[in-house]
Amino acid sequence: AQSVTQLGSHVSVSEGALVLLRCNYSSSVPPYLFWYVQYPNQGLQLLLKYTTGATLVKGINGFEAEFKKSETSFHLTKPSAHMSDAAEYFCAVSGGSNYKLTFGKGTLLTVNP
Amino acid sequence: EADIYQTPRYLVIGTGKKITLECSQTMGHDKMYWYQQDPGMELHLIHYSYGVNSTEKGDLSSESTVSRIRTEHFPLTLESARPSHTSQYLCASSGPGTGSYGYTFGSGTRLTVV
Repeated sequence: AQSVTQLGSHVSVSEGALVLLRCNYSSSVPPYLFWYVQYPNQGLQLLLKYTTGATLVKGINGFEAEFKKSETSFHLTKPSAHMSDAAEYFCAVSGGSNYKLTFGKGTLLTVNP
Repeated sequence: EADIYQTPRYLVIGTGKKITLECSQTMGHDKMYWYQQDPGMELHLIHYSYGVNSTEKGDLSSESTVSRIRTEHFPLTLESARPSHTSQYLCASSGPGTGSYGYTFGSGTRLTVV
């Protein structure tokens, strides 16, 4: 069985500040990990993913995430927040023969001017 | 550009009406999914399909039904809409093989039943 825990349902940062969205996972097989972003009244868009290889993954819009197996974490970061980053962010996991994604409950990112 | 299309984007309909939400993808993906999402809330899987003539219920019980007669098409039907069905419905698809590819999502249909 797989599960995802996103710590903090709401994160608020100032424009230009560091963005850190936390995601911890549970998986009995080597995981595939994903971050998606959802803007209001839109579907989900893939930000980045980890499958194998390099544990630091770079995505779109300046975001990156690091897979830490020992901590079962896949936190999303961006050095400098922009107003356009305000959105809902979802972490997800799949793995092995289970190709269905298990999503976290989401974290709403607010960026203050 | 979108490779998975949902229509309509917004729908306001009266109680008791039958509705069909359309979802089509042009990527040849074998697996398709329907999620229900209330504003600002988590995603709930309500239906999925592994291929033509294959449909399964998801984690959240839903009064809706789905069909998969063609690979590219995965419509969702509500026989008699109720206000409790008011929500956003998201369609997604994924390709063959392992789960390393993730999902591609449509833009969603926001349904309001009055």
